[in-house]
Amino acid sequence: DAGVTQSPTHLIKTRGQQVTLRCSPKSGHDTVSWYQQALGQGPQFIFQYYEEEERQRGNFPDRFSGHQFPNYSSELNVNALLLGDSALYLCASSLARTQYFGPGTRLLVL
Amino acid sequence: ELKVEQNPLFLSMQEGKNYTIYCNYSTTSDRLYWYRQDPGKSLESLFVLLSNGAVKQEGRLMASLDTKARLSTLHITAAVHDLSATYFCAVDINGNQFYFGTGTSLTVIP
Repeated sequence: DAGVTQSPTHLIKTRGQQVTLRCSPKSGHDTVSWYQQALGQGPQFIFQYYEEEERQRGNFPDRFSGHQFPNYSSELNVNALLLGDSALYLCASSLARTQYFGPGTRLLVL
Repeated sequence: ELKVEQNPLFLSMQEGKNYTIYCNYSTTSDRLYWYRQDPGKSLESLFVLLSNGAVKQEGRLMASLDTKARLSTLHITAAVHDLSATYFCAVDINGNQFYFGTGTSLTVIP
């Protein structure tokens, strides 16, 4: 049984660009959450998707948007990238509250 | 705003010694998690604590939860080098949001 997978593993972008990160949940999981982890800090909740709808959102600007597909996979989109968006982006999937984390996508904004 | 605070932030301890990491949170929650993170890696689930007074043990780690005091502890017994990592607690708000603590960076010295 494959766990949570994320792509790409690493990404380099320049300020002002847009980026899309992808997440495939663990088999049978219907809920996907996204987190941003800056260097040396704990993960910060961005939003959670369930049944293709954004169910909850953390304190992140509208530049951060997402989508969930019928197969439960999810995308995180970030527009107008800032240097401060450089971080490890973690996806977590869950079926009954316990979250399982993917390996993350490391984004560097230059 | 929900706050999850861990202390200490940094912990350097000798092999064979015991120590406790504390996690305080500012709102009611019925579920608390402990995670381990190695440098550059994702989060590894250690414990899920579901009720007041819950205690779980795995190897040299033991976690407990006091929901009335809004306090969880992670106790390390007879530390070994392999336990060197960053440890996070996370508070689950109704399964929709995880709030992570600041993290405790543990270094076990031979």
